[in-house]
Amino acid sequence: GAVVSQHPSWVICKSGTSVKIECRSLDFQATTMFWYRQFPKQSLMLMATSNEGSKATYEQGVEKDKFLINHASLTLSTLTVTSAHPEDSSFYICSARWGPPSETQYFGPGTRLLVL
Amino acid sequence: DAKTTQPPSMDCAEGRAANLPCNHSTISGNEYVYWYRQIHSQGPQYIIHGLKNNETNEMASLIITEDRKSSTLILPHATLRDTAVYYCIVRVPITGNQFYFGTGTSLTVIP
Repeated sequence: GAVVSQHPSWVICKSGTSVKIECRSLDFQATTMFWYRQFPKQSLMLMATSNEGSKATYEQGVEKDKFLINHASLTLSTLTVTSAHPEDSSFYICSARWGPPSETQYFGPGTRLLVL
Repeated sequence: DAKTTQPPSMDCAEGRAANLPCNHSTISGNEYVYWYRQIHSQGPQYIIHGLKNNETNEMASLIITEDRKSSTLILPHATLRDTAVYYCIVRVPITGNQFYFGTGTSLTVIP
């Protein structure tokens, strides 16, 4: 149980295009999902918290208009990187919150984005 | 603010127990200790969590000191597939409290 998937696993795009990444909880409903970014040889950095049916909450320093998050259902959250540039190349990972009492998070396999 | 301190790297011989320490000297009474690991180029994998008592599951054991200021993750019989970065995280398990990852411990299991 508690499986989270991401699609696509790899994406290569040209500078200036937009890229959408999907995060799905496969066997449970997740009212809250999270998006992280990880640069090579660094730890995970929390970007935003995605809440079903409401606006996402972004961490300080993360551009809301660049990283659009939509959590339209209890099993799907999407991250759209708008007008991607080479500096947006990174490993993007989502997670979904597994309910009380421990509020454990389960993570997806990640999406590697390369912007040329 | 990760609030935990872990050694940056450790080695362990295959088949031996791997003991990964974590210091969380400022932990509050209602904060849980969570352990995750990240194998290269994959998303983090949940291992175990606990509040006060020692915990064991099919993957590992978690030993929390009586004062709760430190803990140890034990992989009883390390295999090559256990080579990964291990993260220790403390947080209060309520909605809105996020997981913030520190730098973790890079464990290398040696044949």
